[in-house]
Amino acid sequence: KAGVTQTPRYLIKTRGQQVTLSCSPISGHRSVSWYQQTPGQGLQFLFEYFSETQRNKGNFPGRFSGRQFSNSRSEMNVSTLELGDSALYLCASSLVGTGTQETQYFGPGTRLLVL
Amino acid sequence: AQSVAQPEDQVNVAEGNPLTVKCTYSVSGNPYLFWYVQYPNRGLQFLLKYITGDNLVKGSYGFEAEFNKSQTSFHLKKPSALVSDSALYFCAVRDHSNYQLIWGAGTKLIIKP
Repeated sequence: KAGVTQTPRYLIKTRGQQVTLSCSPISGHRSVSWYQQTPGQGLQFLFEYFSETQRNKGNFPGRFSGRQFSNSRSEMNVSTLELGDSALYLCASSLVGTGTQETQYFGPGTRLLVL
Repeated sequence: AQSVAQPEDQVNVAEGNPLTVKCTYSVSGNPYLFWYVQYPNRGLQFLLKYITGDNLVKGSYGFEAEFNKSQTSFHLKKPSALVSDSALYFCAVRDHSNYQLIWGAGTKLIIKP
């Protein structure tokens, strides 16, 4: 099975712009979670989608949004970019997300640099 | 409150020596614990997990972890370290209220030749 894929791998944007990141989960996985990773804050949970619905949300401003399509692919969008949004954005997929024994599998991440 | 602590920011080990990366947790209910590894400029890779059963869990790349309920710990171990084990290691515990993972801050493991 192919793993979790994320596109693009690298992005450079300027302040005020918006960006859309894409994630394709492992085939058959229906839960997709997004994380922001920075050296100072570590791994921070953004949100989780299941069956095209946002099921859980972390503590991020409304500039961060996402969606999931019927094929379980997910996108996240960040509007009005700030310098502090520079980070590695990780996507993780799991079967249904509510199984206690489930494992999350991560993509390689998208490195976003905001100038 | 549920939490995970990785008390060491960095662990230095000589190649060939045993290594331990520490993790302690606080969770209501049964703990479901995970270890992941992250190599530079890569995503996180799953190493192993404890759900129930034997307290010693074996995982990928020769790693194992010991679950200790009384000490609320889940330390990652390897009998003989390799230089290629140098990476960032994350411990996580499942939050039963929303099924999300609560992550430790990560421990940088450096294996010196």
